[in-house]
Amino acid sequence: EPEVTQTPSHQVTQMGQEVILRCVPISNHLYFYWYRQILGQKVEFLVSFYNNEISEKSEIFDDQFSVERPDGSNFTLKIRSTKLEDSAMYFCASSGVAWRGFYEQYFGPGTRLTVT
Amino acid sequence: ILNVEQSPQSLHVQEGDSTNFTCSFPSSNFYALHWYRWETAKSPEALFVMTLNGDEKKKGRISATLNTKEGYSYLYIKGSQPEDSATYLCASYTGNQFYFGTGTSLTVIP
Repeated sequence: EPEVTQTPSHQVTQMGQEVILRCVPISNHLYFYWYRQILGQKVEFLVSFYNNEISEKSEIFDDQFSVERPDGSNFTLKIRSTKLEDSAMYFCASSGVAWRGFYEQYFGPGTRLTVT
Repeated sequence: ILNVEQSPQSLHVQEGDSTNFTCSFPSSNFYALHWYRWETAKSPEALFVMTLNGDEKKKGRISATLNTKEGYSYLYIKGSQPEDSATYLCASYTGNQFYFGTGTSLTVIP
């Protein structure tokens, strides 16, 4: 069964460093998402991406964050200058139908980001 | 920021019992309600996406209803099995963002 994959599973970085989290969505999916969950808190929506551009984003997704689909398979989340409060589990998801939030999303296993 | 609430936070039931839990969300700016099942150390798995008031969806022993006028959805599990033990998460889609609840942690005791 096709699945969303994410690498690395755990990333440790120092405050101020740039990190890139990578996701490979399900191959025929069209809509891609990033979420995060800070330990002990709710899952938070960061951004959705369709047709090579950001479709929707939350207040969390400020200039420190960017997303890219550099080739036909990868979908990346870049954090330019990490802060301690960026430590969280980051989930990528994809959806097979291009109609925003109305269809099932398939989640990857997550990348745990630890900023020291 | 929208407040999506789930209750109870956790519950323990005996194998074979039926159970239900609630997701409450603001009824304004409502577009869709997503339910997920999330097992420990795995990724959230989509159960249902519901959009219309009065929607009822079913997948095996799990079903869900939606009331968009009063802003709630119920998830029902009939004849709980140990493999149903997981956190059940709901998320409200407002047309441009998703807002998640904290989840209901279900433990089914054999």
